[in-house]
Order: sequence, then C-alpha cells, then structure tokens
Amino acid sequence: SQTIHQWPATLVQPVGSPLSLECTVEGTSNPNLYWYRQAAGRGLQLLFYSVGIGQISSEVPQNLSASRPQDRQFILSSKKLLLSDSGFYLCAWSQVDSYEQYFGPGTRLTVT
Amino acid sequence: RKEVEQDPGPFNVPEGATVAFNCTYSNSASQSFFWYRQDCRKEPKLLMSVYSSGNEDGRFTAQLNRASQYISLLIRDSKLSDSATYLCVVNTNAGKSTFGDGTTLTVKP
Repeated sequence: SQTIHQWPATLVQPVGSPLSLECTVEGTSNPNLYWYRQAAGRGLQLLFYSVGIGQISSEVPQNLSASRPQDRQFILSSKKLLLSDSGFYLCAWSQVDSYEQYFGPGTRLTVT
Repeated sequence: RKEVEQDPGPFNVPEGATVAFNCTYSNSASQSFFWYRQDCRKEPKLLMSVYSSGNEDGRFTAQLNRASQYISLLIRDSKLSDSATYLCVVNTNAGKSTFGDGTTLTVKP
C-alpha cells in the first residue's frame, strides 16, 4: 500500500530564516505530487504541483519554491520566511490518471 | 466570487439527525468532484467521489448537479464521530484542484 511522509510535524522559525520541508511517497511510481497551504479556518491553497522529476508548476507567486529531485520526493523551500508564510503545509499525491489526492500528515509552520 | 463556495456553518445537529451540505462551483468545465473530511489539526482524508449518477457509501450520499453547478453531501443517522469539517473539491484538469473553505459539523449527544 502507499504511504506519504512529511517532516517535520511542527516548526517555529524566525522571520528571514530559510525553510525546507520534505515529503516522500512510498509504494507507487511516478505519482503526481502537490504542495498546499492552509491558513487557520480556511480551505487549502494549491502552491505547487509536479507531474514528474524536475517538472514543477507554480500556482501562486510568492517567496516559496519547490523541487522534485527524485520520483517520490517533493521539497518545499524558502530563502527568507515572511510572517504571512505561517500555516499548515500539506503534501499530497495522486496516481497519474486520477484526481483522487491523498495527503500527508502536514507540517504546522509558525513564523515569529 | 470564489470558484468553490461552501456554507461554513457550523452545523450543530443531534445524534441520529440527517444533515446535508451543498457546494457550488463557478467553472462549468469542471470535470471531477470529491468530498474530503478534515478533523481538527489533521490532514484532509478522501471521503468519497461525486458522480452525476450519485454515489452512496453507507450513511453518506453524494450528488452532482451539473446544470446548477453544485454538489451535495447527505449524512444520515449522524454519529458523534461524524463531527469534522467537510471540504468539497472541484477539478478542472489534471493537477489543478480547488478546495472549498469547508463546512463544520458538530454532532451532539
């Protein structure tokens, strides 16, 4: 069966510091991968999605970036965090020919 | 106008009640639709897909009305464990999903 991992679970970072969040998927090949952010009490905002290694589509212009160095690894980064980057970051995967997405446990980021 | 809109609630219902949520979408080219359940401070979990012909899974029934551009979720015989936020998701093409802000349900004893 497929599993998706995210770490860390929680993170407190000062404004201006860098960020790296990692997501890995097991038990499947060539998945579509997604990064979402959820602000408190709100729905999910799609940040990036990837259909293959090195293929990243950005949905929202901001100071975040994403990379997919391996088939089942998806990384979210920032060089300098802003207060507005605080939120719940969720990684998800889906099969290539499916719209059903499955989420990792998420990282709760607080920028102070 | 948001692409996907949900009544935020909260819906407070007694155990055993039937409750229904609606979700409207603005893009008529939307192709697939889902309901997710999200518990407090947890990740969303896929609840069910929504088809034009309707989809039933136990106490849960999902419907799609393309003409009016809305989807619905009906929960019968509510349980305390149904308390959660329910998110609708609309997809227009591969890789682009739009989530509603969610509807909060609280089932009380």
